[in-house]
Amino acid sequence: AQTVTQSQPEMSVQEAETVTLSCTYDTSESDYYLFWYKQPPSRQMILVIRQEAYKQQNATENRFSVNFQKAAKSFSLKISDSQLGDAAMYFCAYRSGNAGNNRKLIWGLGTSLAVNP
Amino acid sequence: DTEVTQTPKHLVMGMTNKKSLKCEQHMGHRAMYWYKQKAKKPPELMFVYSYEKLSINESVPSRFSPECPNSSLLNLHLHALQPEDSALYLCASSQDPSSFYEQYFGPGTRLTVT
Repeated sequence: AQTVTQSQPEMSVQEAETVTLSCTYDTSESDYYLFWYKQPPSRQMILVIRQEAYKQQNATENRFSVNFQKAAKSFSLKISDSQLGDAAMYFCAYRSGNAGNNRKLIWGLGTSLAVNP
Repeated sequence: DTEVTQTPKHLVMGMTNKKSLKCEQHMGHRAMYWYKQKAKKPPELMFVYSYEKLSINESVPSRFSPECPNSSLLNLHLHALQPEDSALYLCASSQDPSSFYEQYFGPGTRLTVT
């Protein structure tokens, strides 16, 4: 069974600095998708970034980028120029691309990010 | 428009009450999901509807009853709930159930069972 591990329950960063959130996963599959979701205290879950396993290029969305290391099964999220609005719980998630499997999202336990002014 | 709406935002109900949660999307998505989320935990999948048919039930107790009246609307009927059912209930949708398409979440309904 696939698992997702986020080893940092809490992190903090100074405004305008860069922070990296770690995520590792375990799978024997070759076709899968990885996601980072953000959930602010207002509670709406928002997709930050996604990565297809078959793509070697790391995904980037404005200030958010990932370091996808397929062999190491690592999928870290880098937030550059951190803003107060980035304070949230960040969840890493895995989803199998195999049509025969239950393709539900497998979630990590989350990293709570605080941004200090 | 990538919006999923949920009503009500908050709901307090007694253990003998019957209530319903509503979720709506107008993005033409054909897969819709119900999740339960406890504080500081990731969401737990409850149900998946694919093309208006229930495709996944994650062994959810029968006091939760989902319904998909049409492709835009998803309901969760609640009856005889327990205090441990108090949680944030999230609805999500995706273009179809394949993994290629990401899920868009609604703001959730905060449910308190007294």
